[in-house]
Amino acid sequence: GQNIDQPTEMTATEGAIVQINCTYQTSGFNGLFWYQQHAGEAPTFLSYNVLDGLEEKGRFSSFLSRSKGYSYLLLKELQMKDSASYLCAVTDSNYQLIWGAGTKLIIKP
Amino acid sequence: ETGVTQTPRHLVMGMTNKKSLKCEQHLGHNAMYWYKQSAKKPLELMFVYSLEERVENNSVPSRFSPECPNSSHLFLHLHTLQPEDSALYLCASSQDRGDRHTGELFFGEGSRLTVL
Repeated sequence: GQNIDQPTEMTATEGAIVQINCTYQTSGFNGLFWYQQHAGEAPTFLSYNVLDGLEEKGRFSSFLSRSKGYSYLLLKELQMKDSASYLCAVTDSNYQLIWGAGTKLIIKP
Repeated sequence: ETGVTQTPRHLVMGMTNKKSLKCEQHLGHNAMYWYKQSAKKPLELMFVYSLEERVENNSVPSRFSPECPNSSHLFLHLHTLQPEDSALYLCASSQDRGDRHTGELFFGEGSRLTVL
């Protein structure tokens, strides 16, 4: 079967750096998405990786290794507003989107 | 209005009630989706419409009935639901074909459904 694994919950301190990992086993690969979802709000797009390497976007970066079936989302200079759930999703060989259960990130002062 | 809007935001219904969820997208997208989001579970794709035609139905019970009258509006009609159907129902839209994800999804804020 197809599977996306990410930690259920993580805690980090304001101003610090946190890395949220995502591993996947899917039938083929056509891209990996990260979404952010604040409690009671809509998920919003953060990043898309289709080639190996690091994509940087301000305080957020996303890394992909296709050979290892692995991605991470790196958040720098954490702010209280970064407290949210982070959803990893992979597009398989049929371009169907497979979702992880999400990682709830708690930021403490 | 901009983006994807869903109404109602909260809904409480009994198992014998009939209600509908509404979604409207103001982005000019081709495809619209219904997802179910339960705590600590991955998003579950329920229905996909591409250019107003249903292209996917992931074995969803018949007590959920979608309707897409035009490319901007999507409904989810609910009847004789079960308590386990309580969840957040998210609507989304995208510019791609719907049955082949090639770009980002734009989500509404969801309708929180509680079935008593």
